[in-house]
Amino acid sequence: GEDVEQSLFLSVREGDSSVINCTYTDSSSTYLYWYKQEPGAGLQLLTYIFSNMDMKQDQRLTVLLNKKDKHLSLRIADTQTGDSAIYFCAERSGGYNKLIFGAGTRLAVHP
Amino acid sequence: GAVVSQHPSRVICKSGTSVKIECRSLDFQATTMFWYRQFPKKSLMLMATSNEGSKATYEQGVEKDKFLINHASLTLSTLTVTSAHPEDSSFYICSARDRVVAGGPSSNEQFFGPGTRLTVL
Repeated sequence: GEDVEQSLFLSVREGDSSVINCTYTDSSSTYLYWYKQEPGAGLQLLTYIFSNMDMKQDQRLTVLLNKKDKHLSLRIADTQTGDSAIYFCAERSGGYNKLIFGAGTRLAVHP
Repeated sequence: GAVVSQHPSRVICKSGTSVKIECRSLDFQATTMFWYRQFPKKSLMLMATSNEGSKATYEQGVEKDKFLINHASLTLSTLTVTSAHPEDSSFYICSARDRVVAGGPSSNEQFFGPGTRLTVL
């Protein structure tokens, strides 16, 4: 079946790098996504990666994809207090419409 | 960027009553809207896909007679929880896809509303 797993919580010091991990089960997933949810706000698409790519970098964000192990990670360099939020991993699965989400990782950034 | 609103943001109702939640795309037209349910410390669960002018497509295990979805216009979809019970208490989130964008990964970009917290007493 389709399943996306994430650890629930991550705490980092301001200025350090954050790495949020995600595993998925559907090997036919074409695109994998990272969303950010701040308190009281909707999910915001941060970045995505196509399944035939290993890595994608976008400013402070680096996405790594290990398709063999079905493992996805999001690295945030120089983490700031404004990065504190819940980060959701999602895969496009079961056709064009459907996104399967993980439970979200709450990132807490402390001084 | 594209903005999606939901109303109300919070609602408390008595068991047995019905509650309507609105989802609006404010600055774009959405042929497709999605309704999700989020449990505490759980992932967003897709409930149904709503296409303007046609019947919603429900995910397996979601009761279509309990969760009524209407997508009457390109900017509005509603979810009505009928005869609500305490186990329906949850966070309901909608998203909308811009009809203009087509093809590639961004064509699946869904713009999310802020969610509605439903509490059934």
